[in-house]
Amino acid sequence: NAGVTQTPKFQVLKTGQSMTLQCAQDMNHEYMSWYRQDPGMGLRLIHYSVGAGITDQGEVPNGYNVSRSTTEDFPLRLLSAAPSQTSVYFCASSVSRGYNEQFFGPGTRLTVL
Amino acid sequence: QKEVEQDPGPLSVPEGAIVSLNCTYSNSAFQYFMWYRQYSRKGPELLMYTYSSGNKEDGRFTAQVDKSSKYISLFIRDSQPSDSATYLCATRGSGNTGKLIFGQGTTLQVKP
Repeated sequence: NAGVTQTPKFQVLKTGQSMTLQCAQDMNHEYMSWYRQDPGMGLRLIHYSVGAGITDQGEVPNGYNVSRSTTEDFPLRLLSAAPSQTSVYFCASSVSRGYNEQFFGPGTRLTVL
Repeated sequence: QKEVEQDPGPLSVPEGAIVSLNCTYSNSAFQYFMWYRQYSRKGPELLMYTYSSGNKEDGRFTAQVDKSSKYISLFIRDSQPSDSATYLCATRGSGNTGKLIFGQGTTLQVKP
């Protein structure tokens, strides 16, 4: 099992550009989520999904879109990048919403100039 | 006020020391508490979790929850340089959404 994979590892964008961060898991997990990690802020939840076709907002959803058309994939779209979106982004998955362990991907380091 | 508060440190200790990492939380409805470990430039990984109050031990690691004071702790005995990492406390949010609420993380360095 590859676990949770994320691409790209690094990305530099200009203000106003759009892009998609990819996340995939091969563990047949129902639950997937996106976090951003900023210095002194810990991990903050952006969006989450409890199953294919179902998504919901987390703590900091503004400027981001998600969709979940398959169990395996949960892409995160930045609609119009802003410098405030410079961060490290982590995708995570879990067996279900009621399961305590979430498995995290290696992260994507995004810089918006 | 953040729902989970954690002193970011950094914390530096000599090898073999006992380390105490702590968090406080605000909502008495929280019942599941977790500690994640994150090595530099890696994703977090679950170290251990506890339910409600009490202690849980796993090797050199002990997690403790005191619900009366809304305080959670992680103790590391005989600390090793390989324990150098950021430790994040977390709790499951109220409701059955699966959302995790994280503290800011404490960076620990264990010096040989």
